[in-house]
Amino acid sequence: SAVISQKPSRDICQRGTSLTIQCQVDSQVTMMFWYRQQPGQSLTLIATANQGSEATYESGFVIDKFPISRPNLTFSTLTVSNMSPEDSSIYLCSVRQGAKDTQYFGPGTRLTVL
Amino acid sequence: QKEVEQNSGPLSVPEGAIASLNCTYSDRGSQSFFWYRQYSGKSPELIMFIYSNGDKEDGRFTAQLNKASQYVSLLIRDSQPSDSATYLCAVPLGSGGYNKLIFGAGTRLAVHP
Repeated sequence: SAVISQKPSRDICQRGTSLTIQCQVDSQVTMMFWYRQQPGQSLTLIATANQGSEATYESGFVIDKFPISRPNLTFSTLTVSNMSPEDSSIYLCSVRQGAKDTQYFGPGTRLTVL
Repeated sequence: QKEVEQNSGPLSVPEGAIASLNCTYSDRGSQSFFWYRQYSGKSPELIMFIYSNGDKEDGRFTAQLNKASQYVSLLIRDSQPSDSATYLCAVPLGSGGYNKLIFGAGTRLAVHP
């Protein structure tokens, strides 16, 4: 499976600021995904990032709040904009690789907003 | 009805016992099913996938699928304390030409010595 890295691994941010999370994959992948996992909760898909096209956002998530870039087949960024304490979560990127919608996850970014 | 449902647990089993984790899903068209393990503070790790009705075994893990009943389960034989984690069931949901994974709430498993 692909080796996926994320930066930063964790951060503590002030309300009203923005943070950009990077996701790097060691092989080319068509589809990358960004998830949020709030404390004690399961994973919620934020958006799907395909290279060469606009990201597709899930209900409840908007581009102004979570802009995504996908400049090539091995890299993506997710920005959490104008943060509030409610944005405190773990943010995970994943890639689809192999057969039948299999996804592998990066190590995650733990964000705390004060 | 939620798209993917799991009992949140915790499911507590003694070391050496069989742990049985269950998942139901709503989309009859789903073709593939995934089990992820997530240790506290870590990201989800794929441990099993199953596409066909019946059982699929991999070491101490067995996935069971019954498409007619829209039910998939994960059995862990000879449970070890190191199996203590949250187990997430995931099912693809088709939309716009690609399938996104929908995750259940996860079942927390505690294996006690």
